[in-house]
Amino acid sequence: NAGVTQTPKFQVLKTGQSMTLQCAQDMNHNSMYWYRQDPGMGLRLIYYSASEGTTDKGEVPNGYNVSRLNKREFSLRLESAAPSQTSVYFCASSGITQASYGYTFGSGTRLTVV
Amino acid sequence: AQSVTQPDIHITVSEGASLELRCNYSYGATPYLFWYVQSPGQGLQLLLKYFSGDTLVQGIKGFEAEFKRSQSSFNLRKPSVHWSDAAEYFCAVVGTYKYIFGTGTRLKVLA
Repeated sequence: NAGVTQTPKFQVLKTGQSMTLQCAQDMNHNSMYWYRQDPGMGLRLIYYSASEGTTDKGEVPNGYNVSRLNKREFSLRLESAAPSQTSVYFCASSGITQASYGYTFGSGTRLTVV
Repeated sequence: AQSVTQPDIHITVSEGASLELRCNYSYGATPYLFWYVQSPGQGLQLLLKYFSGDTLVQGIKGFEAEFKRSQSSFNLRKPSVHWSDAAEYFCAVVGTYKYIFGTGTRLKVLA
């Protein structure tokens, strides 16, 4: 089925460890996004890529880096994980005009940093 | 600044009762507005969207929303709630290249 695939679904890290969250979409969407979701705070944008070859900071970029590997893939890296990065991470993608098509979300990665 | 406010953190309704979830936005131009639903452990699914034209928009699963410019609101409604509607609901407005989400309203449905 067409959509957004995120891996892994669950991850536990120790403080200071690094990891990369993977995201791939097969809908030929131009734009891709990484959000984090925390209780009572809704979804907050970490980074986004409006098109292949470009990335920009969102609302909460500190402690994260991203790579738009190609049109399909957009990865999120935590270089040195901190307990404050315990969250659920969602990747999303949208078409040429995001307002026209809306976002398609992945099912999320639940990350715990201990 | 662009923002979205969902004043109700939790709402509980009985199955078969009507539902209204509130959403207020702040946006300088004509907004593009959306409602999403998130079931436990899942990603967000688009319910409906408003761009322009008719201020009452229909969505999936029997939901509708009404855009009221004078009140800066985009409230979500459903005439008769089903137990499967229990979920978290997010309102969003489109900014430049990205959405601004509200903090969500968690809906509980009593049998």
